[in-house]
Amino acid sequence: NAGVTQTPKFQVLKTGQSMTLQCAQDMNHNSMYWYRQDPGMGLRLIYYSASEGTTDKGEVPNGYNVSRLNKREFSLRLESAAPSQTSVYFCATSLHARSYNYGYTFGSGTRLTVV
Amino acid sequence: KQEVTQIPAALSVPEGENLVLNCSFTDSAIYNLQWFRQDPGKGLTSLLLIQSSQREQTSGRLNASLDKSSGRSTLYIAASQPGDSATYLCAVTKTGANNLFFGTGTRLTVIP
Repeated sequence: NAGVTQTPKFQVLKTGQSMTLQCAQDMNHNSMYWYRQDPGMGLRLIYYSASEGTTDKGEVPNGYNVSRLNKREFSLRLESAAPSQTSVYFCATSLHARSYNYGYTFGSGTRLTVV
Repeated sequence: KQEVTQIPAALSVPEGENLVLNCSFTDSAIYNLQWFRQDPGKGLTSLLLIQSSQREQTSGRLNASLDKSSGRSTLYIAASQPGDSATYLCAVTKTGANNLFFGTGTRLTVIP
C-alpha cells in the first residue's frame, strides 16, 4: 500500500546539470501534479497532468519539463539546473482534477540542492 | 487566481489547551477545502476534506469548519498534545481550475 512514491529523496546537483525526478502512484488516480515548496512561499504548482496523455503548465513552469509516462508515472525533468531551483519537490495525485468528493495525496518529497 | 491566507503564522500553546487555526481564501467558488499536516522535513498528510456543500468535518480531536460565502475555514484542535506540533496547511480548489492553492501554513508548537 505504497500510495505515492517519489525518487530520489535527496539530490545535490551542480549548476547546469540535468536530472529527472520520478513519481509513481498505485492509487489508480487520474490526475498527477508537481509542486515545489520554498520557505515563506508555500507550495506552488509547477506542472500537472489532469489525465493520462495530457500535461499543462502551472504557476512556475519555467526551467522544467514533464512526462506522463502512463497512468501510474509522472516525471519532472530539470534540463539545466540553476540555484533558484533549490527546493523541496512534491508529487501529488487526485482521483479527478475537478472533484468535490476527493482530495489530494502527496508523496514524501525530494529535497534538491543546486550548487 | 485563488489567494489563501493562514493566520497566525506561528502559534505556541501549553499542552491540553484547545486551539483554532484560521484559513481565508478569496474566491468562494470552490470544489472543496483540505487541511494538511506537515512534520519537519516530511511530506503532507491529509487531515480533513470538506466539500463545498458541507459546513464541517470531524476526525477525532480535529474539527474543521467551512463558511464558503465568507471565504473562511477554521481547524479546531481539542486538548492539544505535544505530538500535534507540526505545520498545518490549508489548501483550496477553485471551480474551473485543476489544482490546489495553498496557504503558507501555521507552525504549531505544543509545550509539554
